[in-house]
Amino acid sequence: EPEVTQTPSHQVTQMGQEVILRCVPISNHLYFYWYRQILGQKVEFLVSFYNNEISEKSEIFDDQFSVERPDGSNFTLKIRSTKLEDSAMYFCASRGLDRGLYEQYFGPGTRLTVT
Amino acid sequence: AQKITQTQPGMFVQEKEAVTLDCTYDTSDPSYGLFWYKQPSSGEMIFLIYQGSYDQQNATEGRYSLNFQKARKSANLVISASQLGDSAMYFCAMRGVRDDKIIFGKGTRLHILP
Repeated sequence: EPEVTQTPSHQVTQMGQEVILRCVPISNHLYFYWYRQILGQKVEFLVSFYNNEISEKSEIFDDQFSVERPDGSNFTLKIRSTKLEDSAMYFCASRGLDRGLYEQYFGPGTRLTVT
Repeated sequence: AQKITQTQPGMFVQEKEAVTLDCTYDTSDPSYGLFWYKQPSSGEMIFLIYQGSYDQQNATEGRYSLNFQKARKSANLVISASQLGDSAMYFCAMRGVRDDKIIFGKGTRLHILP
């Protein structure tokens, strides 16, 4: 069964550094998302992306964040200058229209640790 | 605004028993979808089951069923014949037709006892 993949599984970075989290959505999907989960808390929406542009973003998704689909397969989340509070699990998700309008498939997550 | 409420922060259940995880929701959308996800200690989010607001029947997927009571705005997850491998965090979530993001509850940590 097709699945969303994410790399790396764990990223450790120093405060102030830039990080890029990578995702490969399911190949025929058109809608892409990033969510994050701070340890012990609920999953929070960051941004949705469709047709090469952001369709919606949350208050969390400030100017330090950006997303890109640099080629036909990857979907990336960049954090320009990481802060300690950016430490979290970041989930990529994608959606097609093959199982209804609602279902989003989540990747396994990237655990980001900012020191 | 949409909201998901899970009132059980943790539950302990004996292996092979059935378990019900509670979820209530609030939305003004006329059409919406409800989800349950499982998150084991390894951290990935595993999709379990989906219920559309206009679906006539409650959703079932193997040992999982969703007890959907629209008038009460509840979408409880029922796991039949629980197994040790069911020990995990469980999140109830929803998405409205006018919205493309999924809103999650705070989760319930389920412990299955041998």
